[in-house]
Amino acid sequence: DVKVTQSSRYLVKRTGEKVFLECVQDMDHENMFWYRQDPGLGLRLIYFSYDVKMKEKGDIPEGYSVSREKKERFSLILESASTNQTSMYLCASSEGPPTNEKLFFGSGTQLSVL
Amino acid sequence: GDSVTQMEGPVTLSEEAFLTINCTYTATGYPSLFWYVQYPGEGLQLLLKATKADDKGSNKGFEATYRKETTSFHLEKGSVQVSDSAVYFCALNGRGYQKVTFGIGTKLQVIP
Repeated sequence: DVKVTQSSRYLVKRTGEKVFLECVQDMDHENMFWYRQDPGLGLRLIYFSYDVKMKEKGDIPEGYSVSREKKERFSLILESASTNQTSMYLCASSEGPPTNEKLFFGSGTQLSVL
Repeated sequence: GDSVTQMEGPVTLSEEAFLTINCTYTATGYPSLFWYVQYPGEGLQLLLKATKADDKGSNKGFEATYRKETTSFHLEKGSVQVSDSAVYFCALNGRGYQKVTFGIGTKLQVIP
């Protein structure tokens, strides 16, 4: 069965800390995505990657960076966590074009920044 | 840019009631349209999709028809069950793009 695994289900961090969220997929997918999910705002795209070492900004990249050194792993980095980054973070992957339409999601990481 | 509009809810229905969740979109070209579902404590999973005008997507008793003339993709189910309680997201993917745009999600609660 296909799988997208996020390293932590819950995470509590302090303001100013550097935070790493890890995501691994076992489907050999080319595309990987990081979304944040907030009540009333739905899912918003932070960054995506369409190949190893390639990345593109999404709709809300400020305060975040990403790393994709290997095809199966896509990391989201909060350089200096702030309270407004408290959110549910969802990782997803999809096949490369032209069949890149279905997204496979991980279970999410609920991050609390205190 | 692309956008998806849906009501946030919550929508509360009794078991066996008819469900409609409205979704309208704005996009250039001819996007593919999707409904994703998120059960409590889980990530999103694809429920159904339609890739061209007048296509009907269906799965698990849910249906949605791609209406280009009204730019809509409303989700329907004839008889909901308690197990359908979840958050439902309408989404679109513009042709040739890897980015998927989501609506805000509609929470459905089905009571026995």
